[in-house]
Amino acid sequence: GEDVEQSLFLSVREGDSSVINCTYTDSSSTYLYWYKQEPGAGLQLLTYIFSNMDMKQDQRLTVLLNKKDKHLSLRIADTQTGDSAIYFCAEEEGGGADGLTFGKGTHLIIQP
Amino acid sequence: DTGVSQDPRHKITKRGQNVTFRCDPISEHNRLYWYRQTLGQGPEFLTYFQNEAQLEKSRLLSDRFSAERPKGSFSTLEIQRTEQGDSAMYLCASSLSSGTGYEQYFGPGTRLTVT
Repeated sequence: GEDVEQSLFLSVREGDSSVINCTYTDSSSTYLYWYKQEPGAGLQLLTYIFSNMDMKQDQRLTVLLNKKDKHLSLRIADTQTGDSAIYFCAEEEGGGADGLTFGKGTHLIIQP
Repeated sequence: DTGVSQDPRHKITKRGQNVTFRCDPISEHNRLYWYRQTLGQGPEFLTYFQNEAQLEKSRLLSDRFSAERPKGSFSTLEIQRTEQGDSAMYLCASSLSSGTGYEQYFGPGTRLTVT
């Protein structure tokens, strides 16, 4: 079955880069997503990558995809206190028909 | 249009009561999804509509749950005879099926507490 795994916590100092990792098992995944969730709020789509790409950059965010190892990472450059949240990795087989499969989320903690 | 909206934001009900939640998707989006999120977990897929047709249902969607999207716009999710295990955040998302991707945009969620 489908499974998405993430570390539960990551602590970084303000101004440093944060790297959040995710592994997935479904080799037919077509799109892989990163969402951000702040306390009591819904999920905010940060970025996504198509499975035929290996990197995508969007301002402070860089997504790296290693299809061979089924490993996805999100790098946040110059981490700020406003980046403190839970970050979810999600995968989709394609076509949108089955919904997204999410990991349990990584709590990003920013130290001053 | 400011995004996906959900109503109510919070609902407290007693066990055995029925509840109904509403989701209004982004106006041009033809796909609508319902998810459930419990504490410490990621969202879990419940069901999906393309226009007014319900095309997929997860095994998580028991017989007590029913969802509708009668005119292909807003959707309702009803839970009958609520149980304490139904306490969760219910999230709605919408997307536009197109060749460029199927990004799902989420609403703020409805938090259900069953006492």
